[in-house]
Amino acid sequence: QITLKESGPTLVKPTQTLTLTCTVSGFSLSTTGVGVGWIRQPPGKALEWLALIFWDDDTRYSTSLKTRLTVTKDNSKNQVVLTMTNVDPVDTGTYFCAQRAVPATGYFDPWGQGILVTVSS
Amino acid sequence: EIVMTQSPANLSVTPGERATLSCRASQSVRNNFAWYHQKPGQPPRLLIYATSTRATGIPARFSGSGSGTEFTLTISSLQSEDFAVYYCQQYNNWPYTFGQGTRLEIK
Repeated sequence: QITLKESGPTLVKPTQTLTLTCTVSGFSLSTTGVGVGWIRQPPGKALEWLALIFWDDDTRYSTSLKTRLTVTKDNSKNQVVLTMTNVDPVDTGTYFCAQRAVPATGYFDPWGQGILVTVSS
Repeated sequence: EIVMTQSPANLSVTPGERATLSCRASQSVRNNFAWYHQKPGQPPRLLIYATSTRATGIPARFSGSGSGTEFTLTISSLQSEDFAVYYCQQYNNWPYTFGQGTRLEIK
């Protein structure tokens, strides 16, 4: 069974750096074709795709956020880490990680439960 | 960046009736297109991928169609558990993008 679980701080101050971890099980991050993405959702609003990291450490980012985002992974720990610099209250929301369901595609299944992050002083 | 526009924003339907949701892409995404639904407090769940293929465990009352820039999700006979917010997503071009959602409500 494939599972993903997000962890990290639930409250961060403006201008700080947010670091979130996605711990996966049921698959290996180093298997050819694997990808893990990050998607966020402000309260009551729509989903926003943020980033994706591939098995070979290649990465893709949201156009509007790419200067603030970094995604890395640690295969030995089965973890994917999302770093967002210089956070602002508009970055408040639930952050999800999800597996790219099938190699060479881009839809996500399954998803983690998400972690609600609030940016406030 | 490809913009995905969903319509309507809100849809009220009586249980047992058919619901039709639409999504338009600002440029062709071929058939690299997916639908999800999301219930309160839960993560999105994949319903349809490659425009018309149901994900594992998704009932046959859900069907997807379309190509290029126009896509439709049809739910043939609404059940109580189908009332949720529905999102479309394109994965043809980077960055991937989602629509703004359609809220399907009980009439």
